[in-house]
Amino acid sequence: DGGITQSPKYLFRKEGQNVTLSCEQNLNHDAMYWYRQDPGQGLRLIYYSQIVNDFQKGDIAEGYSVSREKKESFPLTVTSAQKNPTAFYLCASGLGDANTGELFFGEGSRLTVL
Amino acid sequence: AQSVTQLDSQVPVFEEAPVELRCNYSSSVSVYLFWYVQYPNQGLQLLLKYLSGSTLVKGINGFEAEFNKSQTSFHLRKPSVHISDTAEYFCAVSDPGDYKLSFGAGTTVTVRA
Repeated sequence: DGGITQSPKYLFRKEGQNVTLSCEQNLNHDAMYWYRQDPGQGLRLIYYSQIVNDFQKGDIAEGYSVSREKKESFPLTVTSAQKNPTAFYLCASGLGDANTGELFFGEGSRLTVL
Repeated sequence: AQSVTQLDSQVPVFEEAPVELRCNYSSSVSVYLFWYVQYPNQGLQLLLKYLSGSTLVKGINGFEAEFNKSQTSFHLRKPSVHISDTAEYFCAVSDPGDYKLSFGAGTTVTVRA
């Protein structure tokens, strides 16, 4: 079935460590997005990519990095520079420029810093 | 970029009662509007969307929403809720040509027996 797969679903990290969250889609979508979700704050855009080998910062990119080497994959690295990384992270994809804005979401990854 | 305001952060409701979740967005000539639902520890699932045409939009699970351009609103309604409708609901908006969605802060609906 077509969809978006995020892994791992749960992740624990010690302070000072970098972690990478995986996001893979088989919907043939051009655009991919990473959102961070905190209670009562809705979804905040971290990074997005409209096309392979290109990506742009969202509203809260500090302390995060991404790559887009393949159309299907858009991994997110949470670096040690991110001051408060404990959150629920959602990956999404869409049709990019041809899009109405509709997004398709993965199941999310919950990161906890110990 | 659009801003979205969901006027209620929490909505408790009894089973089989109606529910309305309010959403307002900042003014624009034309917009695309969406409602998503999120069950605990899951991703977001599209409930319904308004792109153009009829201002009354029907979605999955018996939900509907009405687009009101003059009031810049897109309120979500269901005439009779079930326990399984307990979830968080997000309103989202995009401008045509801007493929980024702006989300509201969410409304948590708790359905009680």
